[in-house]
Amino acid sequence: GQNIDQPTEMTATEGAIVQINCTYQTSGFNGLFWYQQHAGEAPTFLSYNVLDGLEEKGRFSSFLSRSKGYSYLLLKELQMKDSASYLCAVRVTMIYNQGGKLIFGQGTELSVKP
Amino acid sequence: SQTIHQWPATLVQPVGSPLSLECTVEGTSNPNLYWYRQAAGRGLQLLFYSVGIGQISSEVPQNLSASRPQDRQFILSSKKLLLSDSGFYLCAWIASASTDTQYFGPGTRLTVL
Repeated sequence: GQNIDQPTEMTATEGAIVQINCTYQTSGFNGLFWYQQHAGEAPTFLSYNVLDGLEEKGRFSSFLSRSKGYSYLLLKELQMKDSASYLCAVRVTMIYNQGGKLIFGQGTELSVKP
Repeated sequence: SQTIHQWPATLVQPVGSPLSLECTVEGTSNPNLYWYRQAAGRGLQLLFYSVGIGQISSEVPQNLSASRPQDRQFILSSKKLLLSDSGFYLCAWIASASTDTQYFGPGTRLTVL
């Protein structure tokens, strides 16, 4: 079956660094996505990894290890506006759907405190 | 640039009533389209996807259905809503290439009473 795990909640301090982990067990892996979702809003795309290693985008970085079925999202210089839910999603390939489909974890609710 | 629209933004419906949610995409051709539902405090559950006009695949058995009457239009329907259908419904799209990112529409918040 397909399974994606991430912590339910995390708390961090403004200005600090936080790492949100995601482990997955899926078949047909074709990339891992991280989305940010503020309360009451749609998810917005943050990062995408398909090869092992670190992808950096400003204050946000994402790491992938395919052999370990593991990814993390690193947020630096935390700001209050970073308080949100962070969703890890794995794309799996499909025979008649070249775009595949995303399987989402339950999301990690991050609270940034002053 | 590409834009995805959903309407209505919010909806309150009685149990047993019908449902029609619409999603349209602008600025692209032949996108893959997806319907997700997010219950309160839960992750996203894929309901349907479509790779072309009239082509619908269902991920979970339920009392919902989907249709794609036009290339950039995706509709989610129900003949009789259940309380458990309440949630945040999100439409998403990608271009057909396998490396493209999936982008979400603004969503429809449905409350069934």
